[in-house]
Amino acid sequence: AQSVAQPEDQVNVAEGNPLTVKCTYSVSGNPYLFWYVQYPNRGLQFLLKYITGDNLVKGSYGFEAEFNKSQTSFHLKKPSALVSDSALYFCAVRDNPYSGGGADGLTFGKGTHLIIQP
Amino acid sequence: SAVISQKPSRDICQRGTSLTIQCQVDSQVTMMFWYRQQPGQSLTLIATANQGSEATYESGFVIDKFPISRPNLTFSTLTVSNMSPEDSSIYLCSVKLGQVYEQYFGPGTRLTVT
Repeated sequence: AQSVAQPEDQVNVAEGNPLTVKCTYSVSGNPYLFWYVQYPNRGLQFLLKYITGDNLVKGSYGFEAEFNKSQTSFHLKKPSALVSDSALYFCAVRDNPYSGGGADGLTFGKGTHLIIQP
Repeated sequence: SAVISQKPSRDICQRGTSLTIQCQVDSQVTMMFWYRQQPGQSLTLIATANQGSEATYESGFVIDKFPISRPNLTFSTLTVSNMSPEDSSIYLCSVKLGQVYEQYFGPGTRLTVT
């Protein structure tokens, strides 16, 4: 079974500083990895994904994430945080279907509250 | 991406009743999904709804409690049956577009059961 861990319930960063939101995963094959953001009273918005190729993937709003196979991690990063980045961030995974993975549904981590302080 | 709408956006229901949530997409999609987000929790997949076939339910979710319809490629409904306060959650539908790997989510339906 696939799983995702987000070890931090909350991350506090000063505006203008770099931010990192951590995510580790467990799948039976090669993973498909995703980051989503949820603003208050709004649905989930897709930020970025790793499917294959370059380990550093870039996404929306200046976010990027680094895939590290040996550490089974997919940490979300941004070089300079904005107050408007404050939200709930979810990491998600699914098994690569071409390596015998199962259904298309995503398995989500418990989420990390990112708070950017002015 | 896709534009996804859900109705109702929120509702307060009495225990023992049922609520049907609608999900409408602005384009034809093969795969639609229903998730539940309990208060302060992560998202949990309830079922995958494919047009022309029965929904596939995840462990812990059964058709009698969460019947799903998928009459065409742009619409699906999820019914929460015989509700109890434990069913109070946000219910979200999502879609997968063709060969694109990510899913796109609707705004959610916030359900409170009293």
